[in-house]
Amino acid sequence: KAGVTQTPRYLIKTRGQQVTLSCSPISGHRSVSWYQQTPGQGLQFLFEYFSETQRNKGNFPGRFSGRQFSNSRSEMNVSTLELGDSALYLCASSLAASPDEQYFGPGTRLTVT
Amino acid sequence: GNSVTQMEGPVTLSEEAFLTINCTYTATGYPSLFWYVQYPGEGLQLLLKATKADDKGSNKGFEATYRKETTSFHLEKGSVQVSDSAVYFCALSDLGYSGGGADGLTFGKGTHLIIQP
Repeated sequence: KAGVTQTPRYLIKTRGQQVTLSCSPISGHRSVSWYQQTPGQGLQFLFEYFSETQRNKGNFPGRFSGRQFSNSRSEMNVSTLELGDSALYLCASSLAASPDEQYFGPGTRLTVT
Repeated sequence: GNSVTQMEGPVTLSEEAFLTINCTYTATGYPSLFWYVQYPGEGLQLLLKATKADDKGSNKGFEATYRKETTSFHLEKGSVQVSDSAVYFCALSDLGYSGGGADGLTFGKGTHLIIQP
């Protein structure tokens, strides 16, 4: 069974631009969560989607948004990029909603210059 | 709120040494506990989990026991290998007293483990 895939793997953007990251969960998984990983803050929860509905949201500004499609694929959008948004963005899928065990993708490395 | 505390390291051991990585947690409800491992350039892989007090999770020679009385979930392995070198994250997922939705996984800062041959 294929794992969680994320595209693109690497991205360089300029401050003020917006970016969209994509995540395809494991086949049959209905929940997708997003996390931000930085050296300073570690791993922080962004949001979770289950059956196309946002279930939970972490403590991030409104510039961070997401959505989930009927095939469970998810996208995450960051508008008006700031230098501090440079991070590894990880997507995780699970069969059911949290606290079910989550399976992570390889991440998208976003660099904001 | 929820939190997870673990030693950050780096922790350097010789091959075949005994490993312990401490993890303690604070949670408002009834958490499930997890250990994830991250190899260089990769995402996180679930290593083991425990969903209730006194449960023992185990995988690939690693094990951890859910200790509610000490709010701990220490990771242990009897004999480490060079291939175990990675960053290890302790995490929890908390249903909360209401039994409602959890706010994703709460992670510790990660422990960088280096195994020397």
